[in-house]
Amino acid sequence: DSGVTQTPKHLITATGQRVTLRCSPRSGDLSVYWYQQSLDQGLQFLIHYYNGEERAKGNILERFSAQQFPDLHSELNLSSLELGDSALYFCASSGDFPPEAFFGQGTRLTVV
Amino acid sequence: DQQVKQNSPSLSVQEGRISILNCDYTNSMFDYFLWYKKYPAEGPTFLISISSIKDKNEDGRFTVFLNKSAKHLSLHIVPSQPGDSAVYFCAASAENNDMRFGAGTRLTVKP
Repeated sequence: DSGVTQTPKHLITATGQRVTLRCSPRSGDLSVYWYQQSLDQGLQFLIHYYNGEERAKGNILERFSAQQFPDLHSELNLSSLELGDSALYFCASSGDFPPEAFFGQGTRLTVV
Repeated sequence: DQQVKQNSPSLSVQEGRISILNCDYTNSMFDYFLWYKKYPAEGPTFLISISSIKDKNEDGRFTVFLNKSAKHLSLHIVPSQPGDSAVYFCAASAENNDMRFGAGTRLTVKP
């Protein structure tokens, strides 16, 4: 158990819909990262939040947004969903140093 | 965003032999490097790391080597075991804790 909790584990939705993925980081970790893994490919970095503030953006589509709340949990919002958005979405959290990130079990999103 | 590259998508080795997984990076601001192991349908799990001030870090059967001048790191697994079969991701972190991952290498250890 990494200490990072992601909900839901599975999500099936239709094209055009909007979904929210939730992540609770390990206790004390200020950094939260979101990654997308499509079809057993690599981990695509989406976004990094640190203590409520956006720190870096990767290849995140404009239809996607994220936020980190004062209690440090984070949500990834995906809207106007397309078939190609079907993927595993991972959340990870880390402390300041060492910066080892600990991953949740992921949310498998299927867009039909 | 290909700041971290793993050019070998797969590697197959015999049980008991050495597995060597390679990783290259382009961003000279990276100062901490990590390897993760991932089984299907699970999140990646942290394996071993190395700071840029070192050139080697060892933990049991796992050793990571860092060549800063070549912007290259490698993970050695000796001896390899069938349970090591998984996808291995290389990651690099900069001072602001941004962490970027390579595409992964699928290791298969044959009995």
